[in-house]
Amino acid sequence: AQSVTQPDIHITVSEGASLELRCNYSYGATPYLFWYVQSPGQGLQLLLKYFSGDTLVQGIKGFEAEFKRSQSSFNLRKPSVHWSDAAEYFCATYSGAGSYQLTFGKGTKLSVIP
Amino acid sequence: DADVTQTPRNRITKTGKRIMLECSQTKGHDRMYWYRQDPGLGLRLIYYSFDVKDINKGEISDGYSVSRQAQAKFSLSLESAIPNQTALYFCATSARYNEQFFGPGTRLTVL
Repeated sequence: AQSVTQPDIHITVSEGASLELRCNYSYGATPYLFWYVQSPGQGLQLLLKYFSGDTLVQGIKGFEAEFKRSQSSFNLRKPSVHWSDAAEYFCATYSGAGSYQLTFGKGTKLSVIP
Repeated sequence: DADVTQTPRNRITKTGKRIMLECSQTKGHDRMYWYRQDPGLGLRLIYYSFDVKDINKGEISDGYSVSRQAQAKFSLSLESAIPNQTALYFCATSARYNEQFFGPGTRLTVL
């Protein structure tokens, strides 16, 4: 079965600094990959998704992610973090045809220092 | 109006009580899901439904049951609540192999 690993439980960055959140997946074929954000007390909102094609994906709120098959990674990046980006971020994957389940990583909590 | 709504948003109940969490969606999706979220564990799938007549167990279905009353409605029941079912519960919907859209969540506390 596919799995998703987010190695960083908690990251703290200063406002205006760049951000990279790591996500590694385990699946032989090309997976469907997603990044969601959960603000305190809120549900999950989709930031971006990758199904195929261009490996650099643009999302909402200025986020982007790059699919790297050789590293089994789908890292989320933002060039300049805003205080409102403080939230928990989840990477998730479908394994592809025949799969019903969206498998989530355990999440990375982002704190932003003013 | 929100595409995926959940009621109640917060609930405190006692051990042994039966409780139902409800989910409605206006996105017209066939697929609906129930997840629970616990700190440090991410989201885990409880049940999923591909249409009204197709309901399946997820990773952690023990102690839970579901009902798909209509395409737009999917309810989760705890027949006899226990304290380790205290968690944040999310309903989600999707079109086939596409992103899932989540409701705002129900925070359930079992005393």
